[in-house]
Amino acid sequence: NAGVTQTPKFQVLKTGQSMTLQCAQDMNHEYMSWYRQDPGMGLRLIHYSVGAGITDQGEVPNGYNVSRSTTEDFPLRLLSAAPSQTSVYFCASSYGYEQFFGPGTRLTVL
Amino acid sequence: KNEVEQSPQNLTAQEGEFITINCSYSVGISALHWLQQHPGGGIVSLFMLSSGKKKHGRLIATINIQEKHSSLHITASHPRDSAVYICADGGGADGLTFGKGTHLIIQP
Repeated sequence: NAGVTQTPKFQVLKTGQSMTLQCAQDMNHEYMSWYRQDPGMGLRLIHYSVGAGITDQGEVPNGYNVSRSTTEDFPLRLLSAAPSQTSVYFCASSYGYEQFFGPGTRLTVL
Repeated sequence: KNEVEQSPQNLTAQEGEFITINCSYSVGISALHWLQQHPGGGIVSLFMLSSGKKKHGRLIATINIQEKHSSLHITASHPRDSAVYICADGGGADGLTFGKGTHLIIQP
């Protein structure tokens, strides 16, 4: 099992550009989440999904879109990147309450 | 929304010392998680507990439901234990609520 995978590992964007952060899991978990991690703020929930076709907003959803067309994939889209979205992004999947995290994507928006 | 508070924010200790990191939360929990993150690294789940005590090697996690408090202990600490330790609540369908983490440095 690869577990939870994220691509890319690093990304630099210019303000206004769009991109998609990819997240995939091969454990057949129903629950998946996206978090961002910022110094002094800790980890915060962006969006989450309880199954294919079902998503909902977390604590800091503005500027991000998600979709869940399959159980395996949960991409996070930045529609128009802003410097405030410079962060490290983690995807996670869970079975019940047990959490499995991806390796993270470090995003810089100039 | 549960508020999760950790203390201390930063902790420096000598190799071999007994380490305690504390976590308190404001409302009842579904599951309390302890996570570890090494510098520049990913996040690893250490423990998930809703009552009592769990032990894995030199790590021990306890929780007191009545006091809404959990502790993570490290016995015989080692420099490789240097990391950020994060307490979090939840983890079911609607994700986790995190504390801000404790930066632990173990000096040789």
